[in-house]
Amino acid sequence: GDSVTQMEGPVTLSEEAFLTINCTYTATGYPSLFWYVQYPGEGLQLLLKATKADDKGSNKGFEATYRKETTSFHLEKGSVQVSDSAVYFCALSYMDTGRRALTFGSGTRLQVQP
Amino acid sequence: SAVISQKPSRDICQRGTSLTIQCQVDSQVTMMFWYRQQPGQSLTLIATANQGSEATYESGFVIDKFPISRPNLTFSTLTVSNMSPEDSSIYLCSVQGRKGPGVRQQFFGPGTRLTVL
Repeated sequence: GDSVTQMEGPVTLSEEAFLTINCTYTATGYPSLFWYVQYPGEGLQLLLKATKADDKGSNKGFEATYRKETTSFHLEKGSVQVSDSAVYFCALSYMDTGRRALTFGSGTRLQVQP
Repeated sequence: SAVISQKPSRDICQRGTSLTIQCQVDSQVTMMFWYRQQPGQSLTLIATANQGSEATYESGFVIDKFPISRPNLTFSTLTVSNMSPEDSSIYLCSVQGRKGPGVRQQFFGPGTRLTVL
């Protein structure tokens, strides 16, 4: 079956540091890939998505590129802020056909210090 | 987009009792999903709730423990039956909707935080 593997946290960075959170996936088909974010005390929100190979999703300074050859979807941000402290989940699903429910990774907690 | 509300937002329950969680969506959707997020863990799909047919359960989840109703295209309930402390989790309702023309996205409710004593 499908699965998503994320780097373990917590990841602790200083403000303005570069962020990478690794995500790799195993899929039987050609899924769409997502990053969701859960801020403290809040619900789950979609951060960005990519629906096919070589697509780059971006939002709020975060980027991730769908790499079919390495089955990866690493999340990056050039300069993190304290307000980026949250738990980040990588996920996949088949939005138009087949299994539409999301398969999530284990989540990575990011802590940004001033 | 889809706006999802859940009730209750949180509850503390005694072992052996049951709790029904309601999920209301502001638009008609074909598929609704119920997830569980155990403390410090990721989200795990419990089941897919389809209108007019029985829910489809994931491995490790059974209808007797998590009965689901889907009476129409905007509403679903999840019951956590015969609860034990291991059922303490956040339960989330989710739907697939459209954020814009041709743009599909999954939307999540705020969650129901359940504590079983």
